[in-house]
Amino acid sequence: AQTVTQSQPEMSVQEAETVTLSCTYDTSENNYYLFWYKQPPSRQMILVIRQEAYKQQNATENRFSVNFQKAAKSFSLKISDSQLGDTAMYFCAFMPRDRDDKIIFGKGTRLHILP
Amino acid sequence: GAGVSQSPRYKVAKRGQDVALRCDPISGHVSLFWYQQALGQGPEFLTYFQNEAQLDKSGLPSDRFFAERPEGSVSTLKIQRTQQEDSAVYLCASSLLGGLFEKLFFGSGTQLSVL
Repeated sequence: AQTVTQSQPEMSVQEAETVTLSCTYDTSENNYYLFWYKQPPSRQMILVIRQEAYKQQNATENRFSVNFQKAAKSFSLKISDSQLGDTAMYFCAFMPRDRDDKIIFGKGTRLHILP
Repeated sequence: GAGVSQSPRYKVAKRGQDVALRCDPISGHVSLFWYQQALGQGPEFLTYFQNEAQLDKSGLPSDRFFAERPEGSVSTLKIQRTQQEDSAVYLCASSLLGGLFEKLFFGSGTQLSVL
């Protein structure tokens, strides 16, 4: 069974700083996808960034980037120049690639950006 | 519509009551997912539809939970004889074709409180 672990329940950083959220996962699959989702107080999950496991290059979306270490089964999210609007719950998620299956989420990290 | 719409946004039920939660996916989206998110947890998969076919219901916690999507668009999640442990946010998500790397669009969820 696949599991996703986020070891930081809560984090706080000052506005404009860089913050890194950790995620590890456990799977016997070789091909899969990894995601980071943001959930603001509105509860709507918003896709932040996604990574295909067979791609070695780390995904980047504007201020958001990942550090994907396949051998270590680690998938951390870096937010640069953090903004007040980044305050939210962040969920790391996993999905096997070779079969139609559901996304498995971690328990989340609550991120506070302080003014 | 412009996004995934869920109703009601909040639902309070007395233990033992039946409830019905509605999801309107983005028009034309083939795949539809239901997730349950307990307080302080990540979303957990409940069930998945492709058009009107329910392809996976392995996440439904008991036979009190029932989901349908009779015409391949709107979906209803029904919970019979609600219990306190059913209290959670129920999230619906849809994707255009259901491909493995498709972007999921989430609704804002229905927060169910069972008293």
